[in-house]
Amino acid sequence: DVKVTQSSRYLVKRTGEKVFLECVQDMDHENMFWYRQDPGLGLRLIYFSYDVKMKEKGDIPEGYSVSREKKERFSLILESASTNQTSMYLCASRQGNQPQHFGDGTRLSIL
Amino acid sequence: GNSVTQMEGPVTLSEEAFLTINCTYTATGYPSLFWYVQYPGEGLQLLLKATKADDKGSNKGFEATYRKETTSFHLEKGSVQVSDSAVYFCALTPFSGGYNKLIFGAGTRLAVHP
Repeated sequence: DVKVTQSSRYLVKRTGEKVFLECVQDMDHENMFWYRQDPGLGLRLIYFSYDVKMKEKGDIPEGYSVSREKKERFSLILESASTNQTSMYLCASRQGNQPQHFGDGTRLSIL
Repeated sequence: GNSVTQMEGPVTLSEEAFLTINCTYTATGYPSLFWYVQYPGEGLQLLLKATKADDKGSNKGFEATYRKETTSFHLEKGSVQVSDSAVYFCALTPFSGGYNKLIFGAGTRLAVHP
């Protein structure tokens, strides 16, 4: 079974902090994704990566950046956290035309 | 553009009732369609999928049929259980030949009571 592991289930940070969310997958998948999930809006794609050091903007990239230095790890970075970035963040990975596999999510609160 | 519209929740049912959650889509070309489920405190799990018109996806007693003529992919289950209580997301992957982006609906919360 594919395992996608997000480093934290819950995280509380302060406005203006630089925040790192980490995601690791164990199946050598080429593609990795970061989404945020908000009530009534479903999941929205922030960034994705199709290879090491490669990244593409999703639908809502503003205020975020990403890093993929190794194939198994995809990091989401909030450069200067703001309260409107309080949300549930979900990481996913995928190989070829197979469905995406999701981690359990990180619930991030920005105070 | 590409989009997915789901019926608003919450949907509240008694155990053993019949479930339908409506999903319609707008897409260019021939998308693949998915239902994902999110149990409390967990990430999303793929429930079922269909990749072409008239395909029926099924899993754990749930079914959905890819209807191109009505651009729909409604989720059904004949007899729900309390353990089916979760949020259900309809999603599509556009046929683009490019990156494999998933587009989600807003989600429908299902609550099943004994």
